[in-house]
Amino acid sequence: NAGVTQTPKFQVLKTGQSMTLQCAQDMNHEYMSWYRQDPGMGLRLIHYSVGAGITDQGEVPNGYNVSRSTTEDFPLRLLSAAPSQTSVYFCASSYSFKGNNYGYTFGSGTRLTVV
Amino acid sequence: QQPVQSPQAVILREGEDAVINCSSSKALYSVHWYRQKHGEAPVFLMILLKGGEQKGHEKISASFNEKKQQSSLYLTASQLSYSGTYFCGTEWGGSNYKLTFGKGTLLTVNP
Repeated sequence: NAGVTQTPKFQVLKTGQSMTLQCAQDMNHEYMSWYRQDPGMGLRLIHYSVGAGITDQGEVPNGYNVSRSTTEDFPLRLLSAAPSQTSVYFCASSYSFKGNNYGYTFGSGTRLTVV
Repeated sequence: QQPVQSPQAVILREGEDAVINCSSSKALYSVHWYRQKHGEAPVFLMILLKGGEQKGHEKISASFNEKKQQSSLYLTASQLSYSGTYFCGTEWGGSNYKLTFGKGTLLTVNP
């Protein structure tokens, strides 16, 4: 039982390049989310999904795309990297029971630098 | 809208108590609390659902006042291992799946 697995752990991109951050969970959680963490800003929600085939935008979605074709995987795509996207990215998953959402399990993060 | 956490930082000596507050301008459905150590991922501590319940985890407990739209995290007899940044996450009525975090409270426990 690996929990939430993110790859890669570190990445350096040039401005304008695209890439995909991978996230996979093996807990059969229906909810998955992507957050970015910047100094002094806390964790900000980029996109989230409530199940396979269903995604929606969070607080800071511009410049990012997501899809969720399976329960397990929720990749985050950077379309054209910009220095403002330099950040630590966390993927998280959770489940619900009787209509209530429960605690999120976070992946170990991807530290992205855009130069 | 991010919930507002206070204080931004607190320094304790081992064995002292601390309270971290989290308030929202919107009606809350639930409040989560997480702790993050430097360079690591946030770790879930507890969740409080609307109804004013109080929960506990060893010497860490929390309360949720639905009417005041705020939650408080209580750390009693702090240990060195309690050091880290504490985040509250809030879910608003009708947005059960969108967890919005505060900016965090840095807690430092010294010997």
